[in-house]
Amino acid sequence: SQQGEEDPQALSIQEGENATMNCSYKTSINNLQWYRQNSGRGLVHLILIRSNEREKHSGRLRVTLDTSKKSSSLLITASRAADTASYFCATDSPIVDMRFGAGTRLTVKP
Amino acid sequence: SQTIHQWPATLVQPVGSPLSLECTVEGTSNPNLYWYRQAAGRGLQLLFYSVGIGQISSEVPQNLSASRPQDRQFILSSKKLLLSDSGFYLCAWSVSPRGYGYTFGSGTRLTVV
Repeated sequence: SQQGEEDPQALSIQEGENATMNCSYKTSINNLQWYRQNSGRGLVHLILIRSNEREKHSGRLRVTLDTSKKSSSLLITASRAADTASYFCATDSPIVDMRFGAGTRLTVKP
Repeated sequence: SQTIHQWPATLVQPVGSPLSLECTVEGTSNPNLYWYRQAAGRGLQLLFYSVGIGQISSEVPQNLSASRPQDRQFILSSKKLLLSDSGFYLCAWSVSPRGYGYTFGSGTRLTVV
């Protein structure tokens, strides 16, 4: 069964704009991770944020975590056409193994 | 460095035929291993995971089985494929214990006809 639920399901923006994707989950977690998947390829790990962290940065990526609301957001700043992909959040909890949401399909138009 | 190999990349199989997908990991020992399936435009469904040789946990009842004959080898099998087995199959590994992210293989696109 799914744990993370991404929102929106699809997002289309112009190159240079920022893209924000959200993830909600239901149970307590050890950490939350974001992955990227290009069409027809495997998933690539982007960033991991632990349950005791509130914000994390990696290059143009910024992830926030609000454990009280059981939600996370992924911000991609200054988007590029090459950022076009599906983005998934995944939760790692003490009880169950990793669960992935259905993903957000991001399209960045040149 | 650690790498994960998954093959074949694509596979077209008739209904009722057997299946064997293989995944191997290099550069680490005693990894946690996982098989996921992804339907078109959907998220990932965990099928099996393994924390050691011969230790397999199944998440959902289905027409598939998994085996781990060696520490860094994970095999997904079926004796008789169904149309509903079509999908994108992904193998992944993580360190044991968990907590540092998963590394995925490049996936196998299975089409059952």
